[in-house]
Amino acid sequence: GAGVSQSPSNKVTEKGKDVELRCDPISGHTALYWYRQSLGQGLEFLIYFQGNSAPDKSGLPSDRFSAERTGGSVSTLTIQRTQQEDSAVYLCASSLAGANTEAFFGQGTRLTVV
Amino acid sequence: KNQVEQSPQSLIILEGKNCTLQCNYTVSPFSNLRWYKQDTGRGPVSLTIMTFSENTKSNGRYTATLDADTKQSSLHITASQLSDSASYICVVSATGGFKTIFGAGTRLFVKA
Repeated sequence: GAGVSQSPSNKVTEKGKDVELRCDPISGHTALYWYRQSLGQGLEFLIYFQGNSAPDKSGLPSDRFSAERTGGSVSTLTIQRTQQEDSAVYLCASSLAGANTEAFFGQGTRLTVV
Repeated sequence: KNQVEQSPQSLIILEGKNCTLQCNYTVSPFSNLRWYKQDTGRGPVSLTIMTFSENTKSNGRYTATLDADTKQSSLHITASQLSDSASYICVVSATGGFKTIFGAGTRLFVKA
């Protein structure tokens, strides 16, 4: 696609429910990143994919968070048993392989846990 | 500990004025430093990316500098416009495996 696409754009869920967030990266981008941005805070790295594998999962805040990527393209971030502190904007970015390539961000999914 | 610190936390300037945002980092071994602009409710957009050997890079009215010895970078905005109101985020990456550290950002308000 023309840019990184994330869905849904907004999600309100009840505490304890599971949610799935989707990211469609730019076609041909092998690297994919998930970040979280809480209200008024900076970006927090969650996980990085190179192809379908995730060499760095160090940012996932708890075992309730998981992510997968299939076909080297679409990625889903799953949060199980959501808590109110999970409320944030979840941003996805993609880039070509290589350390010095530009990462392009999606618009984000605003998750609100009530 | 790998860290990226930005200053000031927020800044208010009048339209047409210049400003400079600062970024200090301790990320090592250094690979590259990027500046992003994030409008409210939008994803960050890359302004510049600099590697170890680059001291300055411009993108229109935005000019970034890098001093790899002192581990400092600045983003200078010339002749500010109302549309420059946004958060500016400094991001530093390390070599040898994926490690990218984000600064907390500087919130810039440009007033008419």
